[in-house]
Amino acid sequence: GENVEQHPSTLSVQEGDSAVIKCTYSDSASNYFPWYKQELGKGPQLIIDIRSNVGEKKDQRIAVTLNKTAKHFSLHITETQPEDSAVYFCAASPLTSYDKVIFGPGTSLSVIP
Amino acid sequence: DSGVTQTPKHLITATGQRVTLRCSPRSGDLSVYWYQQSLDQGLQFLIQYYNGEERAKGNILERFSAQQFPDLHSELNLSSLELGDSALYFCASSARSGRNTDTQYFGPGTRLTVL
Repeated sequence: GENVEQHPSTLSVQEGDSAVIKCTYSDSASNYFPWYKQELGKGPQLIIDIRSNVGEKKDQRIAVTLNKTAKHFSLHITETQPEDSAVYFCAASPLTSYDKVIFGPGTSLSVIP
Repeated sequence: DSGVTQTPKHLITATGQRVTLRCSPRSGDLSVYWYQQSLDQGLQFLIQYYNGEERAKGNILERFSAQQFPDLHSELNLSSLELGDSALYFCASSARSGRNTDTQYFGPGTRLTVL
């Protein structure tokens, strides 16, 4: 079955630095890749997503890149701020069948002021 | 605040029991999703309903069932509870057509503890 790996499991950066979180997936049928941010005591929140027909997508300080050949995608956060501290989850699924969505194990990001 | 409400916030029960978790989606949203989040299994998709009909089924155990009512609220029923069912259960809702690319808005979750 589909497997999504996520690295690193924890990440600590200085405020203003960049943070990169990487995910790999195994199912070649996956073509939709969302990223979620989960703050302590709250539910996940979609922050950005990418489809397989696009190699990169940006939204202000957040960007996601996708390498479909290598089956990996990455989240890039620039100019990190303390409020970026949270757990980040990647996910992969086919566009047409959400029943196959698989989430990565999460990355705990700490931004040190 | 996402606009999705879940009750109760906390639930403590014993093995073998049955519980019902309730979710009210954002106003106007037709789709409801249920997820389980545990330390050992991570975040897992359980089931999706769209306008009262089951749309997608993930890793939902046979002991679990869900439904979406005409007023669009949803309930997740967990029966014959086991210690391993202890987890956070999230509900999310989305508008539009219920496609998996629609933005999902998550509720605050129900923390279930099975003793």
